Amino acid sequence: GAVVSQHPSWVICKSGTSVKIECRSLDFQATTMFWYRQFPKQSLMLMATSNEGSKATYEQGVEKDKFLINHASLTLSTLTVTSAHPEDSSFYICSASQSTDTQYFGPGTRLTVL
Amino acid sequence: GENVGLHLPTLSVQEGDNSIINCAYSNSASDYFIWYKQESGKGPQFIIDIRSNMDKRQGQRVTVLLNKTVKHLSLQIAATQPGDSAVYFCAVRGNDMRFGAGTRLTVKP
Repeated sequence: GAVVSQHPSWVICKSGTSVKIECRSLDFQATTMFWYRQFPKQSLMLMATSNEGSKATYEQGVEKDKFLINHASLTLSTLTVTSAHPEDSSFYICSASQSTDTQYFGPGTRLTVL
Repeated sequence: GENVGLHLPTLSVQEGDNSIINCAYSNSASDYFIWYKQESGKGPQFIIDIRSNMDKRQGQRVTVLLNKTVKHLSLQIAATQPGDSAVYFCAVRGNDMRFGAGTRLTVKP
């Protein structure tokens, strides 16, 4: 149980385009979903926390207009990287949590912006 | 604020030996602790968790020890196997959930 999927697993896009990443909890309802960014050989950097039906809470330094998060249902959250630039290239990971606080992570999405 | 760190960034062990990975935290009010395993290019996997009302918890080949006095958490892997090679990091819940940087475990055949 507690499976989280992400789609796509990797994406290459041109600079200036927008990319949407989906995060789904497959076998449980996630009251909270988290979006992380991970640079090579570094730990997870929390970008934002989202609860179903409400606006996401962004961490300091994360541009909410650039990284749009929608948590439309208890099983789906999306992260849209708008007007992507090469510096946005990274590994993006989502996690989902029920009430127990344990976060179950998705497999990650590798974004490469050319 | 919360400060979560690991004593060793890398750990190399012989196949079959036991591995111990450590994590230190600073917030004495932290009440929930998780160990994750992350293989290269993949998302983190939940391994085991422990709450502050316990000092030891065992899973399959893994044991987590919590010493609240010195604010130290460890993950012990018994009979380490090549498939255990990965980055392991702790997560500590204080005011919020914070993640350690990770220790890369390499298992030598």
